[in-house]
Amino acid sequence: KAGVTQTPRYLIKTRGQQVTLSCSPISGHRSVSWYQQTPGQGLQFLFEYFSETQRNKGNFPGRFSGRQFSNSRSEMNVSTLELGDSALYLCASSQKKRGGLETQYFGPGTRLLVL
Amino acid sequence: AQKITQTQPGMFVQEKEAVTLDCTYDTSDPSYGLFWYKQPSSGEMIFLIYQGSYDQQNATEGRYSLNFQKARKSANLVISASQLGDSAMYFCAMREIGSQGNLIFGKGTKLSVKP
Repeated sequence: KAGVTQTPRYLIKTRGQQVTLSCSPISGHRSVSWYQQTPGQGLQFLFEYFSETQRNKGNFPGRFSGRQFSNSRSEMNVSTLELGDSALYLCASSQKKRGGLETQYFGPGTRLLVL
Repeated sequence: AQKITQTQPGMFVQEKEAVTLDCTYDTSDPSYGLFWYKQPSSGEMIFLIYQGSYDQQNATEGRYSLNFQKARKSANLVISASQLGDSAMYFCAMREIGSQGNLIFGKGTKLSVKP
């Protein structure tokens, strides 16, 4: 089975721009979660989607949004980019089982640099 | 309150020796899962091992084993017969049954394997 894929892998943007990141989950996985990783804050949960519905959201401003399509692919969008948005954005997919404690499998990440 | 604590920012181990990476956690939820991930310099988070709060036996996956002490709220990762390719960041993570998609990560331990 192919793993989680994320595009693009690297991105450079300037302040004020907006960006869209894409994530394709493992085939058969319907849950997709997004995380932001920075040296200062570590790994932080952004949001989780299941069956095209956002089920949970982390403590991030409204500039961060996402969606999931009927094929379980997901996108996240960051509007009005700030320097502090520079980070590695990781997407993870999981298959519903074990009563909600299913393992999340991560993609290679998108490295975003905001100048 | 920090829910996952990894007290070792960095560790060195000789090739072919065993090493233990510490992780303590805090939760009031009786049902939770504990995960260990490896992150090489490329950025991808690689799932290593899972332990459920109700599991009676310690989890093992190849050279990885988890020393789960529920009363002490610790879930240490043991890597046997270290290899040069084990050099990476290692993250302990927890997910509570009530959270949707939200993995809570520790700050990580950087493991360096010496030849």
